[in-house]
Amino acid sequence: GAGVSQSPSNKVTEKGKDVELRCDPISGHTALYWYRQSLGQGLEFLIYFQGNSAPDKSGLPSDRFSAERTGGSVSTLTIQRTQQEDSAVYLCASSRLAGYNEQFFGPGTRLTVL
Amino acid sequence: GENVEQHPSTLSVQEGDSAVIKCTYSDSASNYFPWYKQELGKGPQLIIDIRSNVGEKKDQRIAVTLNKTAKHFSLHITETQPEDSAVYFCAAPGYSTLTFGKGTMLLVSP
Repeated sequence: GAGVSQSPSNKVTEKGKDVELRCDPISGHTALYWYRQSLGQGLEFLIYFQGNSAPDKSGLPSDRFSAERTGGSVSTLTIQRTQQEDSAVYLCASSRLAGYNEQFFGPGTRLTVL
Repeated sequence: GENVEQHPSTLSVQEGDSAVIKCTYSDSASNYFPWYKQELGKGPQLIIDIRSNVGEKKDQRIAVTLNKTAKHFSLHITETQPEDSAVYFCAAPGYSTLTFGKGTMLLVSP
C-alpha cells in the first residue's frame, strides 16, 4: 500500500521567504509527527498531532514555525521568514495508534535556505 | 525529559563481521526501545524493537538486548553485508513521542 508521502522533495528558498512543506500520512493513521534532521544530527522532534486533540507543539524551535493538520489527514508545516539555520531535512511520520508504536516515515523534504 | 546517548557515531566493518551499536537512556520508566535504519535519501524504517518485559529479541541476523538495570540497550548485526550500510538510530519514549539518538553510520566493506 501507499506509504507516507511528502512534497516537495527538495526546496531551495531565499532567506526571509516563507515555505510550506506537505505531508500525506498513511490512510487511517491517527498520529502524525514532524521531525527535523540536520547534517550529522539525530531526529529532532517538532510537533505531534493525535486525532482531534490539541497538537503537542513543544518541539517547535521558534514562533516562525507552525503546523496544521486538516481533516485528520494531510499536514502542512510552515516556516515563516526562513533563516539559513532552518536548512535541514524535514521528516514526517505517521502511526496507526498513539503512544509508542511503529512510526512510518516519509522520504523527507530537503530545505535549503540561501 | 528522556536523554538518549548513542555510540559509536561511525562504525566500519568488513563484510561478514559483526557490528554492535549501543545506546543509553535516562528515564528508568521507559519501556519501549525501537531501532530504525535510514538508507541514503530515504526516511528511517523500523527494523526491530523491544519492550521492557524481555531482555533480548532476535530477527534473523539482527538482535537487540536490553539491560534495564544499567539503562542501556544494544543492536547486534551478525554476518554483515554491504546492504547493511546505513545510518542506524535508537530511540526511547519521550514526553509524547520518541527521543532518538544521534545515529550511527555503519559502513560494511566488501
